[in-house]
Amino acid sequence: DAGVIQSPRHEVTEMGQEVTLRCKPISGHNSLFWYRQTMMRGLELLIYFNNNVPIDDSGMPEDRFSAKMPNASFSTLKIQPSEPRDSAVYFCASSFQLQGEQFFGPGTRLTVL
Amino acid sequence: TQLLEQSPQFLSIQEGENLTVYCNSSSVFSSLQWYRQEPGEGPVLLVTVVTGGEVKKLKRLTFQFGDARKDSSLHITAAQTGDTGLYLCAGAGQAGTALIFGKGTTLSVSS
Repeated sequence: DAGVIQSPRHEVTEMGQEVTLRCKPISGHNSLFWYRQTMMRGLELLIYFNNNVPIDDSGMPEDRFSAKMPNASFSTLKIQPSEPRDSAVYFCASSFQLQGEQFFGPGTRLTVL
Repeated sequence: TQLLEQSPQFLSIQEGENLTVYCNSSSVFSSLQWYRQEPGEGPVLLVTVVTGGEVKKLKRLTFQFGDARKDSSLHITAAQTGDTGLYLCAGAGQAGTALIFGKGTTLSVSS
């Protein structure tokens, strides 16, 4: 079975550009999570959805960040405009239950120049 | 706000040594999960502990949940280079909320 799929795997962009990260969760999973990981701050929860509905976006750092989940098999995280401090690895994870085992995708390494 | 603190932050040891890493909180969790993350990959679940005082073993890894369900430890016996990675603990707090992750312990095992 395919795990969580993220694209792109690597993204290099210039400051001010729009960045869209994509995630396909595991089929049948009801919860989806977006994380950002850096050496300094560790793994930070940005936003999570349950049954396609955003539950808590308090971890989204600024209004420049937005996330959508139009259906059970697809989610996007958008940064507009991007800034160098947004450089990090962004992970998407899904789970069958909200507090159950999370299955992580391979991550998107974002570099903003 | 529920927080999980992991210690030590970094650990560098030789193959064959034993080690213990800790995950502590002032809050009670209904369960606690341990994940391992290898370079370039996402975290992968190792074990879930649910009952206070519970001990689970996974080959050379021993996980313990504190009696009060506020803390946990991971002990590795005779570490191998393949144990290298970032170890994260994650607690299930208030119902209806997401797991809370600690910042992790980065383990480096050299031969």
